[in-house]
Amino acid sequence: NAGVMQNPRHLVRRRGQEARLRCSPMKGHSHVYWYRQLPEEGLKFMVYLQKENIIDESGMPKERFSAEFPKEGPSILRIQQVVRGDSAAYFCASSPSDYRRIYEQYFGPGTRLTVT
Amino acid sequence: AQRVTQPEKLLSVFKGAPVELKCNYSYSGSPELFWYVQYSRQRLQLLLRHISRESIKGFTADLNKGETSFHLKKPFAQEEDSAMYYCALKNAGGTSYGKLTFGQGTILTVHP
Repeated sequence: NAGVMQNPRHLVRRRGQEARLRCSPMKGHSHVYWYRQLPEEGLKFMVYLQKENIIDESGMPKERFSAEFPKEGPSILRIQQVVRGDSAAYFCASSPSDYRRIYEQYFGPGTRLTVT
Repeated sequence: AQRVTQPEKLLSVFKGAPVELKCNYSYSGSPELFWYVQYSRQRLQLLLRHISRESIKGFTADLNKGETSFHLKKPFAQEEDSAMYYCALKNAGGTSYGKLTFGQGTILTVHP
């Protein structure tokens, strides 16, 4: 099992461009979480998804940010019209489908977004 | 609203000394708490959870509901313990029960 995969690992965007971050959960995991780590800060929850459903997006900024986890393929975190303040490390985690083990979140290596 | 506070951003100790990483939480229900660790150039990974009451790599953490704390302790620190440590609280109710609220993290440095 390759673990949670994220790509790209590093992404540079100019202000106003779009950023697409991908996350492939571990095999057998159907729960995906996105977290953001701003410089000098801890991890902040953004969104929790299951296949084709957004369960909790309370941590997502109201504008420009969206996330999806389609039936097939990776989960995508999309940031439109990026601004410098979006520069951060974005981490994805997945957890097993078994609700008794849902606390076991396995993290990807993160995508470091730099907005110039 | 639930919250996790790690008051120390940086913590330095010498090898062989005891270490305690502090974590306080606020949560209205019955909390489920975890410690995650991120070693240099590695992914964030689960270290331990309070339910299992286990000791991992010599670390233990006891949930103190009276003090709303879940401090991480090790009696004799090793250089390989140097890492970033995050305390996390699981959202135990509602539909978002998988969500974790993380503290700000503590960077532990163990000097030789």
